[in-house]
Amino acid sequence: KAGVTQTPRYLIKTRGQQVTLSCSPISGHRSVSWYQQTPGQGLQFLFEYFSETQRNKGNFPGRFSGRQFSNSRSEMNVSTLELGDSALYLCASQSSYNSPLHFGNGTRLTVT
Amino acid sequence: ELKVEQNPLFLSMQEGKNYTIYCNYSTTSDRLYWYRQDPGKSLESLFVLLSNGAVKQEGRLMASLDTKARLSTLHITAAVHDLSATYFCAVDMDSNYQLIWGAGTKLIIKP
Repeated sequence: KAGVTQTPRYLIKTRGQQVTLSCSPISGHRSVSWYQQTPGQGLQFLFEYFSETQRNKGNFPGRFSGRQFSNSRSEMNVSTLELGDSALYLCASQSSYNSPLHFGNGTRLTVT
Repeated sequence: ELKVEQNPLFLSMQEGKNYTIYCNYSTTSDRLYWYRQDPGKSLESLFVLLSNGAVKQEGRLMASLDTKARLSTLHITAAVHDLSATYFCAVDMDSNYQLIWGAGTKLIIKP
């Protein structure tokens, strides 16, 4: 089975721009969640989607948004980028409530 | 405040030794996860612990959960260099599809 696929792997953007990150979950997984990882703040939850519905959202500003499509693929968007948005963004999919989250390789975003 | 605390945050040890990483969390939870991350890589699932007294083992790693003490441990037996990595615990508090993560324990095992 193919794993979680995130594209692109690397992105360099300038302040004020916007960016869209993509995540394809493992086939059959309907839950997709997003996490931000930085050296200073560690791993922080962004959002979780199931069957196109956002079930929970982390404590991030409204510049961070996401969505899930009917095929369970998910995107997250960050508008008006700030230097502090530089991070590794990880997507994970899950088959059921008590199963592990399977993470993709992440998208490393650098904002200059 | 929802908090997950790991200790130690850094551990350097010799091959062949045993050690334990601790994960304390601040409120009730019905799921606790352990993950491994190698430098520059993503997160690899090690264990999912679902109930009080749960114990799981894989190779030289064994994880346990005490929900009454809000404590999980990851025990490393006879460490080998390949186990060098950063280990994270994460807790789903209040079953709201959101994992709260510990800061990670960076483990270095010297040959």
